Amino acid sequence: DGGITQSPKYLFRKEGQNVTLSCEQNLNHDAMYWYRQDPGQGLRLIYYSQIVNDFQKGDIAEGYSVSREKKESFPLTVTSAQKNPTAFYLCASGGYTFGSGTRLTVV
Amino acid sequence: AQSVSQHNHHVILSEAASLELGCNYSYGGTVNLFWYVQYPGQHLQLLLKYFSGDPLVKGIKGFEAEFIKSKFSFNLRKPSVQWSDTAEYFCAVNAGNNRKLIWGLGTSLAVNP
Repeated sequence: DGGITQSPKYLFRKEGQNVTLSCEQNLNHDAMYWYRQDPGQGLRLIYYSQIVNDFQKGDIAEGYSVSREKKESFPLTVTSAQKNPTAFYLCASGGYTFGSGTRLTVV
Repeated sequence: AQSVSQHNHHVILSEAASLELGCNYSYGGTVNLFWYVQYPGQHLQLLLKYFSGDPLVKGIKGFEAEFIKSKFSFNLRKPSVQWSDTAEYFCAVNAGNNRKLIWGLGTSLAVNP
């Protein structure tokens, strides 16, 4: 089945640690996106990539980093510089197809 | 700057009532329009989308939306809601070439049985 796979579904991180969220798609889409969802704030764009080896900052890129070495994969690293990382993270490809999300909690 | 407004933040209805959720956007050019639903504890699911053609769009689960270009609106409707429609509903707009989605803040719908 074609789709977007995000893993893990739940992730716990200690303060000061970096953590990487996985996003893989087999839809042959060029464009991939990372959004963050917080209660009452809707979705906000973190980073996006329109082609392999290229990516751009979204509206809230500080404290995050990405790579796009393969068309199928667009991992997101939440660094220790991100001051409030606890949130639900959603990956999308092709503009409007979403994965099932990763809920990150800092403990 | 482009923006999306969803006017109703919380809506409470009884089963069989009719639903209309408002969505307005600010962008003067060509847009693609989307409604997503997020059921409690679940991920986003695409309800319907408009790219071009007939401005009345039919989606899944009996939902429809009408694109009114002159009003910059894309309101979501359902003639008779069910308890299972209880969820958060998001309107989103894609404008320009980069396919970024601009999101409304969402409307929380509670349907009482």
